[in-house]
Amino acid sequence: GENVEQHPSTLSVQEGDSAVIKCTYSDSASNYFPWYKQELGKGPQLIIDIRSNVGEKKDQRIAVTLNKTAKHFSLHITETQPEDSAVYFCAAETNAGKSTFGDGTTLTVKP
Amino acid sequence: DTAVSQTPKYLVTQMGNDKSIKCEQNLGHDTMYWYKQDSKKFLKIMFSYNNKELIINETVPNRFSPKSPDKAHLNLHINSLELGDSAVYFCASSPLLSRRPLTGELFFGEGSRLTVL
Repeated sequence: GENVEQHPSTLSVQEGDSAVIKCTYSDSASNYFPWYKQELGKGPQLIIDIRSNVGEKKDQRIAVTLNKTAKHFSLHITETQPEDSAVYFCAAETNAGKSTFGDGTTLTVKP
Repeated sequence: DTAVSQTPKYLVTQMGNDKSIKCEQNLGHDTMYWYKQDSKKFLKIMFSYNNKELIINETVPNRFSPKSPDKAHLNLHINSLELGDSAVYFCASSPLLSRRPLTGELFFGEGSRLTVL
């Protein structure tokens, strides 16, 4: 089955700096790679996603890159703000509709 | 209106009891899921239903029994609760499993925190 590894498990940055979270996956059949943000006491919420036919996608301060050959994808957050502090999950999904999640990264943005 | 709603939000119970968590989505989605999030925040899929049909059943003890009376509801019943069942259980729904391509965004509920004493 699919195995998704996510690094780092915790990340602390100063407000205004950039944050990068990296994930690798094992199943070459995976073709959808979403990123979710989970705030305290809430359910995960999609912030950006990328499909296997695209190498990069950007939405304001967040961007995701995908390298299908190397089976890795990354989340980039620029100009971080305290409200970006949360747990971030990457996931990889196959056509069977099953999402395998990474173990999460706790991002802390210090004012 | 809440898109994916779960009840109860908190559940505290004794070992050996039987309990249920209910989930409803008003998004018109065909596919619903149960995920378990443990104390380390790891998110693991438990079950998935597509149009009331079970399509994903991970290695979950048979004390856990999902039930989908219609495509807008997916309930989780747990028998003989154990200490290790303590976790946050998330219900989610997704729109795209009924047609190609199959992949799509998951919409999560707010979670149900189960504490087994």
